[in-house]
Amino acid sequence: DGGITQSPKYLFRKEGQNVTLSCEQNLNHDAMYWYRQDPGQGLRLIYYSQIVNDFQKGDIAEGYSVSREKKESFPLTVTSAQKNPTAFYLCASSLGSGRSPYEQYFGPGTRLTVT
Amino acid sequence: GQSLEQPSEVTAVEGAIVQINCTYQTSGFYGLSWYQQHDGGAPTFLSYNALDGLEETGRFSSFLSRSDSYGYLLLQELQMKDSASYFCAVPSGGGYQKVTFGTGTKLQVIP
Repeated sequence: DGGITQSPKYLFRKEGQNVTLSCEQNLNHDAMYWYRQDPGQGLRLIYYSQIVNDFQKGDIAEGYSVSREKKESFPLTVTSAQKNPTAFYLCASSLGSGRSPYEQYFGPGTRLTVT
Repeated sequence: GQSLEQPSEVTAVEGAIVQINCTYQTSGFYGLSWYQQHDGGAPTFLSYNALDGLEETGRFSSFLSRSDSYGYLLLQELQMKDSASYFCAVPSGGGYQKVTFGTGTKLQVIP
């Protein structure tokens, strides 16, 4: 079955540590996205990538970094520079053409807690 | 920039019809999307409107009026499982592959 996987589901880290969240898709989608969701809030775009080896900052990229070395994978690193990293992180993908940005498929999310 | 307005909460009775509105301001418009998210879960795509009018998919319909910068999601024959948050989304501008999500409407379906 095609889909998007994110791991782990829950992640706990100490303040000052970098942490990398995994996102893999086997939908053969070109575009991938990372969002952050805080309790009771909408989704805010962190980074997105339209093709391999290329990515762009979203609205809240400070304190985060990404890579896109393979079409299937788009890992997100939450660095110690991110002032308030505790949140629900969602990865998504879309075809990358046509109406695709409006039809995104989401992974199950990673809930990161930093203390 | 882009901004979207949705009601924060809506309550409706099982079996009834509910409409969730979304007004938007965006510099470039290609379409309006709707997503559903259950508590603790991931958003799932519901619908997309690029043109004015009503699009129906089963119990859910979505409407768009580009001249009014307004759309809505209509849920019919409400079921308890429809209790979730619903988000509208529009292009972010400055990059065709980006969208901006609204802050969501939490729908509670009561017996």
